[in-house]
Amino acid sequence: NAGVTQTPKFQVLKTGQSMTLQCAQDMNHEYMSWYRQDPGMGLRLIHYSVGAGITDQGEVPNGYNVSRSTTEDFPLRLLSAAPSQTSVYFCASSYSINRGGYTFGSGTRLTVV
Amino acid sequence: AQKVTQAQTEISVVEKEDVTLDCVYETRDTTYYLFWYKQPPSGELVFLIRRNSFDEQNEISGRYSWNFQKSTSSFNFTITASQVVDSAVYFCALRMTQGGSEKLVFGKGTKLTVNP
Repeated sequence: NAGVTQTPKFQVLKTGQSMTLQCAQDMNHEYMSWYRQDPGMGLRLIHYSVGAGITDQGEVPNGYNVSRSTTEDFPLRLLSAAPSQTSVYFCASSYSINRGGYTFGSGTRLTVV
Repeated sequence: AQKVTQAQTEISVVEKEDVTLDCVYETRDTTYYLFWYKQPPSGELVFLIRRNSFDEQNEISGRYSWNFQKSTSSFNFTITASQVVDSAVYFCALRMTQGGSEKLVFGKGTKLTVNP
């Protein structure tokens, strides 16, 4: 049982490049989400999904796309990277709220130059 | 508005002191959940506790305790006899619901430094 797995752990991109941050969970969780963490800002929700085929925007969705074709995977796509997207990205998953807390991945540190 | 406020940006204590981290929340939901997470210097987020709005009992887990008061919309976290390993950023979070979906809203965190 690996929990929530994020890859890569570190990434440097040039402005304008695109990439996909991977997130996978093996706990059969319905709910998955992506957050970004910036100094002094806490964690802010980018996108989330309540099940396969269902996604919705969070607080800071601009510049990011998501899809949820399977229960296990929830990739985050940066379409055209900008320096403002330099951040640490966390993926989280949970069952319905009545069955516990949210499990977070170990994070991806992204730098856009 | 639904939000979480952690007014203490940074706290520094000496080992063995008790320390309380404050969390105040706002929500329109009648049923809601509150969380505390720990983020040590290594960067991962560690789940500490979940509390639902209809259970106002305080909780103790070893040196950690949580005081939930609906009357003041607060969910404070106390570490007794702090240790250097408690040094971390601590986040309070509120699960909010909207149109059948759910979101976790975080405070900005309190950085705790425990000095030997």
